[in-house]
Amino acid sequence: GAVVSQHPSWVICKSGTSVKIECRSLDFQATTMFWYRQFPKQSLMLMATSNEGSKATYEQGVEKDKFLINHASLTLSTLTVTSAHPEDSSFYICSARDVSGISNQPQHFGDGTRLSIL
Amino acid sequence: AQSVTQLDSQVPVFEEAPVELRCNYSSSVSVYLFWYVQYPNQGLQLLLKYLSGSTLVKGINGFEAEFNKSQTSFHLRKPSVHISDTAEYFCAVSDYMDTGRRALTFGSGTRLQVQP
Repeated sequence: GAVVSQHPSWVICKSGTSVKIECRSLDFQATTMFWYRQFPKQSLMLMATSNEGSKATYEQGVEKDKFLINHASLTLSTLTVTSAHPEDSSFYICSARDVSGISNQPQHFGDGTRLSIL
Repeated sequence: AQSVTQLDSQVPVFEEAPVELRCNYSSSVSVYLFWYVQYPNQGLQLLLKYLSGSTLVKGINGFEAEFNKSQTSFHLRKPSVHISDTAEYFCAVSDYMDTGRRALTFGSGTRLQVQP
């Protein structure tokens, strides 16, 4: 089945550091990828929609200058948390939709990245 | 816009007992419905989906769900649970007409705790 690889799975870094998270679709092409954020014991909240070759669409309340998204190819989207602070600590999950599938194809999720800012 | 309500934040159940996890949604348009399972520190795995057709949907790991349009519900069921079913379960909807994005709206999740 479709596989989405997310890297790194866990990162700990100092406050003020920028952190890049990669999301790759391994066996399919994805024109659209989604980035979600999940706080402990809470649901997933959509942060932004990443579109290949164009600017990302951010949800209300998400700082686009804080969370930089780049979708340079049909198999890779990156999320960079710039100048990260402890309040940015969270579980970040990406998902991708197979471009070749029918319009109701469900999303395929990565395994998530646990980000801890000290 | 859509919303999803999972009424039970936690459901404790004994091994081999049946279980039902409740999900209700609201939307002004037709939606697709999904159930996902999340194990600790992992992403989401699709259990089953309702797109159209038969309202009773069978998924992986012995789970099934029934779409009830009049009650706007999509409850998840399993006749006999195992310890390994302990996880977080999320109900989600996708706007049928949102051809541009198709982002998912998730419920708050239900923690299924299977006890021996």
